[in-house]
Amino acid sequence: GNSVTQMEGPVTLSEEAFLTINCTYTATGYPSLFWYVQYPGEGLQLLLKATKADDKGSNKGFEATYRKETTSFHLEKGSVQVSDSAVYFCALSDLPGYSTLTFGKGTMLLVSP
Amino acid sequence: NAGVTQTPKFRVLKTGQSMTLLCAQDMNHEYMYWYRQDPGMGLRLIHYSVGEGTTAKGEVPDGYNVSRLKKQNFLLGLESAAPSQTSVYFCASSYGGGPSYEQYFGPGTRLTVT
Repeated sequence: GNSVTQMEGPVTLSEEAFLTINCTYTATGYPSLFWYVQYPGEGLQLLLKATKADDKGSNKGFEATYRKETTSFHLEKGSVQVSDSAVYFCALSDLPGYSTLTFGKGTMLLVSP
Repeated sequence: NAGVTQTPKFRVLKTGQSMTLLCAQDMNHEYMYWYRQDPGMGLRLIHYSVGEGTTAKGEVPDGYNVSRLKKQNFLLGLESAAPSQTSVYFCASSYGGGPSYEQYFGPGTRLTVT
């Protein structure tokens, strides 16, 4: 079956530090990959996605590249802000007809001033 | 345009009680989903619907029922609540199926079963 593995948190950084959150996946087909973000007290929002190998998704300064050879989709940001503090979820979808998602367990990011 | 809304926001039930969670979307989306979020478990799909009048089981459907009588609403029912159903429940919707269609999430319902 499909699965997504994320690094455990919390990840604690100072403002302007570089961020990497690791995500690897197992899938039977050719999945699409997503990063969702959940701010405190809110639902999830799509942050970025990539639908095929070597695609790079980007949004709000965050980037992730779909690496088929390493089955990875690591999230990066060059300079984090306090407002980036949230829980980040990596997810995949590989069913051709439906967009059901398989989520990782989430990684909490805490950014201090 | 409210997006996806969920009612109620919080609820406390006693074991054996029943309740219904309501999800509504005003984006004319065909697909709707119910997830539960537990600490250290991420989100897990309970049930989903690919159109009015249709429902299907997800990863963790036991103990829940759903109905999609109207396109804009997706109801999640607990017939006999158990402490293991203490969780945060999220509803989501998408215009279509497949990875090209983003899922939009509601704010969640925090349910505690004592």
